[in-house]
Amino acid sequence: NAGVTQTPKFQVLKTGQSMTLQCAQDMNHNSMYWYRQDPGMGLRLIYYSASEGTTDKGEVPNGYNVSRLNKREFSLRLESAAPSQTSVYFCASTPHAGDAYGYTFGSGTRLTVV
Amino acid sequence: AQSVTQPDIHITVSEGASLELRCNYSYGATPYLFWYVQSPGQGLQLLLKYFSGDTLVQGIKGFEAEFKRSQSSFNLRKPSVHWSDAAEYFCAVGAGNQFYFGTGTSLTVIP
Repeated sequence: NAGVTQTPKFQVLKTGQSMTLQCAQDMNHNSMYWYRQDPGMGLRLIYYSASEGTTDKGEVPNGYNVSRLNKREFSLRLESAAPSQTSVYFCASTPHAGDAYGYTFGSGTRLTVV
Repeated sequence: AQSVTQPDIHITVSEGASLELRCNYSYGATPYLFWYVQSPGQGLQLLLKYFSGDTLVQGIKGFEAEFKRSQSSFNLRKPSVHWSDAAEYFCAVGAGNQFYFGTGTSLTVIP
């Protein structure tokens, strides 16, 4: 099925460990996004890539890095995980940034940092 | 700055009753407006969207929403709620290259 695929679905890290969250879409979308979702705070944008070869910071970029590997893939890296990064992470894509199409979301990665 | 407010954190309705979820936005231009639904443990699914034209928009699962520019609102409605509608609902505004989400409204449906 066409859509946005995120891996892994669940992860437990120890403080200070690093990891990369993977995201891939097969809809030929140009723009991709990483959000985190925390109780009572809705979704907050971490980073986005309006098109292949570009990345920009969102509302909460500290502690994260991203790579737009190609048009399909957009990864999120935690270099030194902290308990404050315990969250559910969603990747999303849309044909073009700023259009009216709306996002297609992945099913999320539930990350716990202990 | 752009912002989205969903004033109701949690709403409980009886099955078969009508539903209205409130959303207010702040944006200088005419926004793109969206409602998403999230079932437990799942990603977000687009219910409906407004970007121009008729201010009453129809979505999936029997939902509709009305854009009221004078009130900066985009409230979601459903005439008769089903138990399967229990979920979290997010309003979002598209502004520039980004979307801004509200903090969500959790809907409980009681038999």
